[in-house]
Order: sequence, then C-alpha cells, then structure tokens
Amino acid sequence: IVMTQSPDSLALSLGERATINCKSSQSVFYSLENKDYLTWYQQIPGQPPKLLISWASIRESGVPERFSGSGSGTDFTLTISGLQAEDVAVYYCHQYYNTPPTFGQGTKVE
Amino acid sequence: QVQLVESGGAVAQPGTSLRLSCAASGFTFGLHGMHWIRQAPGKGLEWVAVFSYDEEETKYYADSVKGRFTISRDNIKNTLFLQMDSLRPEDTAVYYCAKGNYYESGTYYILENWGQGTLVTVSS
Repeated sequence: IVMTQSPDSLALSLGERATINCKSSQSVFYSLENKDYLTWYQQIPGQPPKLLISWASIRESGVPERFSGSGSGTDFTLTISGLQAEDVAVYYCHQYYNTPPTFGQGTKVE
Repeated sequence: QVQLVESGGAVAQPGTSLRLSCAASGFTFGLHGMHWIRQAPGKGLEWVAVFSYDEEETKYYADSVKGRFTISRDNIKNTLFLQMDSLRPEDTAVYYCAKGNYYESGTYYILENWGQGTLVTVSS
C-alpha cells in the first residue's frame, strides 16, 4: 500500500492550525474490526519518531489535545490546532493494514 | 518506563556483515512483537522486519532486505537482533528498534516505543 502525504512541507505561525493529509492507495479500513489501521508519528529533529495517534483517531496517552486525527478508508488528516514551537517536526502517517507496513514520505512542519 | 537501546552500528564495506542488537527493558518483552525500522540520511522511514510475540515465531521482512537480513530475539535476555549480511550502500541508515503494541484487533504493528537508533554506514 502506497501512502502519499500532502503537503511535503508547511510553514505556519504560532497559534495557527496545521492540516496534514494522508492518502492510501487502497483502503486500510478493516470492516470486521470496524477500524482503520493507520497511525501518525511525530519526529522532532535529532530524535526518534514518537507515536501520536493510532487507529486513525485515538490519541496516545500524554499527547496534547491539540493533536487530532480523522478520516477513514483511504483519506486521513492530522490536525494540530494552535501550533506550538515544540511542534516543529516531521509528521508521518503509517498503515498497518497489511504487511509490509508502509509510511508516507513525511510532512515537515515549520 | 520502556527503554530500547540499540547497538552494533558501524562503518562496513559492501558485501560484509553486521549484527545489530536492541536491549529492551521496562515491559514484558515476550508479549510484544518487535520491529526494526530504518531511516536513510535525510530520508523517510522504511519498515525492515518484525518478529512476532507468539510461539509461532513469525518473521516478516521488507522485500529490500529479504534473503540478506535475519531478525531474531532472545526472550530471556530481552534482546532483539538484526543480522545484516551482504550489505549494500543503500542499506546505509539509522536503524531503530520499536516495540509493537500488545496484540489487538489482529495486529502488533503499532510502533508504540522507539529506541534512539544506531547508524550503519556501508561504504568502500
């Protein structure tokens, strides 16, 4: 499954909303489980990736509420409501619907 | 807290071998699928391999490393390994180990925790 993110980069001011899109080449929704097999990761420069959101919209414990995930099937969105300085990072979507799991190319937020 | 510490990265010549290790602590290692993911310099993330948590010891590999890399684990020593043979320049990357989620809805592929990574450079 090919994951395509848009845009490749995003330059915003503090407090603005960031919207990152992710499109999969086939649906990652598994009807028997009624779930989308998609996660979002944040990679701050010089650090390993960090899990933000799983199952397309479930925020991990400790992740600020300004991060939210939405979408289903083939189209997904990560929204950062009220950008903070510490949110400067590259964000990746990732499908685990089948093997091999695949990542989007990343979206750099500045 | 969960800790994953990779080691074994080095500069290697094409065609040679390296063995990476990932020492895990802070969780019940044997209950989680464990993954290797790599990131070439300045590039995105590429999943490399997974070793399942169960008695079936299922292993899957990316096509780019199949037949050259071997993933293994020692549940007594809480350590994950990646044996890398026939190295190529395109294998140059930071290699991360990651802990998969506790099995849920048929998957252990949610990468909940990552190590800091170890750098492998393949060059003559």
